[in-house]
Amino acid sequence: DAGVTQSPTHLIKTRGQHVTLRCSPISGHKSVSWYQQVLGQGPQFIFQYYEKEERGRGNFPDRFSARQFPNYSSELNVNALLLGDSALYLCASSAALRPQETQYFGPGTRLLVL
Amino acid sequence: AQSVTQLGSHVSVSEGALVLLRCNYSSSVPPYLFWYVQYPNQGLQLLLKYTSAATLVKGINGFEAEFKKSETSFHLTKPSAHMSDAAEYFCAVSAHLQGAQKLVFGQGTRLTINP
Repeated sequence: DAGVTQSPTHLIKTRGQHVTLRCSPISGHKSVSWYQQVLGQGPQFIFQYYEKEERGRGNFPDRFSARQFPNYSSELNVNALLLGDSALYLCASSAALRPQETQYFGPGTRLLVL
Repeated sequence: AQSVTQLGSHVSVSEGALVLLRCNYSSSVPPYLFWYVQYPNQGLQLLLKYTSAATLVKGINGFEAEFKKSETSFHLTKPSAHMSDAAEYFCAVSAHLQGAQKLVFGQGTRLTINP
């Protein structure tokens, strides 16, 4: 079975631009979460979607938004890019919202903002 | 609020030596704890998780971790290091946020294996 997939793998943008990152969860998983991993740090929670509804949002500005589609894939959008948005963006899927549920991560999208 | 602290941002061991990566947690409720590994330019892979079924948890690639409530610890060990174990290791705790279940990660420990 395919794992979590993300596209694109790498992206270079300039300040002020907009970016869209995409994620396809493991088949049968209804929850998708997004994390930002800045170089040298652990991942930070951005959003979680379950059954196409936003279930939680981390401490990120409104420039960050996301959505989940009927097939449970998801998009993360970032507007008005800043240099500090340069990071590895990770998508994770899980079958349910239980606290003991394993989150399976994709390979990430590496975003560089110049 | 739940949090984890990983002691030691960088650990270096010789091939064949014991690997010990430290993680302490803070949680007001019984925690669910995870160890993930990240190889260069890759995503995170689950090594093992603690869900209160057993305090000694065995994972993939010969790793195991022991949950110690009295010490609020969940240290990761492997009896004999292999060159392929060189990677970044993250400890995480599951936390409830509004209606979400998020993972709160530590800063990570980079493991280097010396030949």
